[in-house]
Amino acid sequence: GAVVSQHPSRVICKSGTSVKIECRSLDFQATTMFWYRQFPKQSLMLMATSNEGSKATYEQGVEKDKFLINHASLTLSTLTVTSAHPEDSSFYICSAKDGLQNQPQHFGDGTRLSIL
Amino acid sequence: ILNVEQSPQSLHVQEGDSTNFTCSFPSSNFYALHWYRWETAKSPEALFVMTLNGDEKKKGRISATLNTKEGYSYLYIKGSQPEDSATYLCAFMTGAQKLVFGQGTRLTINP
Repeated sequence: GAVVSQHPSRVICKSGTSVKIECRSLDFQATTMFWYRQFPKQSLMLMATSNEGSKATYEQGVEKDKFLINHASLTLSTLTVTSAHPEDSSFYICSAKDGLQNQPQHFGDGTRLSIL
Repeated sequence: ILNVEQSPQSLHVQEGDSTNFTCSFPSSNFYALHWYRWETAKSPEALFVMTLNGDEKKKGRISATLNTKEGYSYLYIKGSQPEDSATYLCAFMTGAQKLVFGQGTRLTINP
């Protein structure tokens, strides 16, 4: 099956640090990648959608200057949390899909981000 | 605001028993409904993508039904096994190809 690799799986860093999370599709071309965030006991919330070679589309309430998304190739998207603060501590997970209709999204393992 | 509700939030089932749980979603502007299984420390795994009212899909001991007119889908597990322990997520696909997830049903199979 389709494999998506996400790393790092866990990050602990000081407030003010910028953190980059990578999401790679290993065996298919991901025309679209999605970034989600999950707070404790809540559902996965879509942060942004990125299509290869174009700017990401952010959901309402998500700061695009805080969460920089790059999707430079059909196999790689990155999320950079800039100048992270404790309130950015959360679980971040990416998914990817090809261009076909009615296909599922393929998820990475997620990244647990803790800002001290 | 789109609302996707799953019930129950958690469920304990004896090994060998069958079980089912529900996903409720908006009945208008339906495009697709996704089901995923999410085991601890792993990535969510796609189970089904359902698109047509009345759809029934099956994968081994797991099956799902879809009623788009009333806005619900059921997931059934027959003869539960310990490896079925996971959180089961449903997600409603919007016209913009985005998924809106429910909170999940956490299933624990007791040996």
